[in-house]
Amino acid sequence: GQNIDQPTEMTATEGAIVQINCTYQTSGFNGLFWYQQHAGEAPTFLSYNVLDGLEEKGRFSSFLSRSKGYSYLLLKELQMKDSASYLCAVRDGSSGNTPLVFGKGTRLSVIA
Amino acid sequence: SQTIHQWPATLVQPVGSPLSLECTVEGTSNPNLYWYRQAAGRGLQLLFYSVGIGQISSEVPQNLSASRPQDRQFILSSKKLLLSDSGFYLCAWRRAGAGNTIYFGEGSWLTVV
Repeated sequence: GQNIDQPTEMTATEGAIVQINCTYQTSGFNGLFWYQQHAGEAPTFLSYNVLDGLEEKGRFSSFLSRSKGYSYLLLKELQMKDSASYLCAVRDGSSGNTPLVFGKGTRLSVIA
Repeated sequence: SQTIHQWPATLVQPVGSPLSLECTVEGTSNPNLYWYRQAAGRGLQLLFYSVGIGQISSEVPQNLSASRPQDRQFILSSKKLLLSDSGFYLCAWRRAGAGNTIYFGEGSWLTVV
C-alpha cells in the first residue's frame, strides 16, 4: 500500500525559516513532489526530487532521502503570503504514467 | 505554452441530479489526464486517470464516471449525485513521456444539497 505522512498544521513567524517534513512508504518510487495550495484554490507546483539531496529554488528548498523515505520542504524568509497548505506527493510506480499519491497536506500559518 | 481549463467553477446540485464537469488542455498533445477530489479537511483523492483517448482507469469505485472523447478533453460525470459527492474537483494534466510534473486546473466546487 501507500502511506504519506506530514504534520497537519504548523505556525511560524514572518521572516523566519520553517521546515515541513514528509515521510512516505510506497511499493516503488519514481519521484517526490511538493505543491502549495492557498485556501479555495488549486495546488501549484513547487518542487520535484527524484535523486537524494537538496534542490534549491529561491526561498524554497526541498530535500530527499530515498533510503529513509523522507523529504522536507524548507521555506526561508517567510512572508505572510506563504500561509497556505503544502502537499507532499509521491509517484510510486516505475512508469512515468503512474499517478501521484498525495499526503493530506500541512497547513502553514505565518504570523507577524 | 500549455493551459488547462475546467468548468463550471462552482455549482450547487440537488441530491439525485446528474453532474458533468469538463476539462480541456491546450498547447500539448496526448497528455495524461487526471480527476482528483478534495473533500473538506481531507487530502487529494485520485478518482480517474487517462493515458489516451477512450482509456480510463478508475481508482475509487463510486457513482462517478469519466470519459475522454477527444485527446485533450476529459469529462467527469454522475447520473445521480449523493451528498457525499460534495467537494473540490480538480482536473490535472502532465506531459506524456519524459515530463513528470502534473499541473492542475482551477478546480470546481460542487455542493450537493
